[in-house]
Amino acid sequence: ETGVTQSPTHLIKTRGQQVTLRCSSQSGHNTVSWYQQALGQGPQFIFQYYREEENGRGNFPPRFSGLQFPNYSSELNVNALELDDSALYLCASSLSGTNTEAFFGQGTRLTVV
Amino acid sequence: SQELEQSPQSLIVQEGKNLTINCTSSKTLYGLYWYKQKYGEGLIFLMMLQKGGEEKSHEKITAKLDEKKQQSSLHITASQPSHAGIYLCGADRDYKLSFGAGTTVTVRA
Repeated sequence: ETGVTQSPTHLIKTRGQQVTLRCSSQSGHNTVSWYQQALGQGPQFIFQYYREEENGRGNFPPRFSGLQFPNYSSELNVNALELDDSALYLCASSLSGTNTEAFFGQGTRLTVV
Repeated sequence: SQELEQSPQSLIVQEGKNLTINCTSSKTLYGLYWYKQKYGEGLIFLMMLQKGGEEKSHEKITAKLDEKKQQSSLHITASQPSHAGIYLCGADRDYKLSFGAGTTVTVRA
């Protein structure tokens, strides 16, 4: 098992609501990346945080936002939830703004109804 | 079309038999990661390949990187039920990983 933990593991929200997902990075890792994985597809990159700053962003709208805290843990916030936001959300922690030793958490399953 | 194409999309193998999964990139590969995923769960890191011609093994799993062909392969020897799952390849693209759609492996007793 990795030292990357995500909470909650499952979540059901109503369309239009807002959600916050959390991720604790592996000890010694200062970078957190978030991915969205729809059913039957590979994970799609949302954004990466390194030293509390956004270090790169994928093709996701601004209603997807994030934070990284001084202890390198991170949050993913999604506003105005849409049905298509239903997916497994994965976070990965790694070293120094790269994908070196990119270890993933167990994911948060978000269902939007 | 996706940047990384995995083949086959799924496969069923008899326990004890070997299997190979391929991952082909439309762009130059600078680093290639292999992960395994149980349905609906997180990704388990298997191996990272960085140099052309590099080959790594862990237990019964071997991965190779052919930089010229922009391709990597994952080979499992003498498959066991514990090898069942979804195998994903991911290309290192600076600050992100670009993933293939995955290969679902079923191991039949």
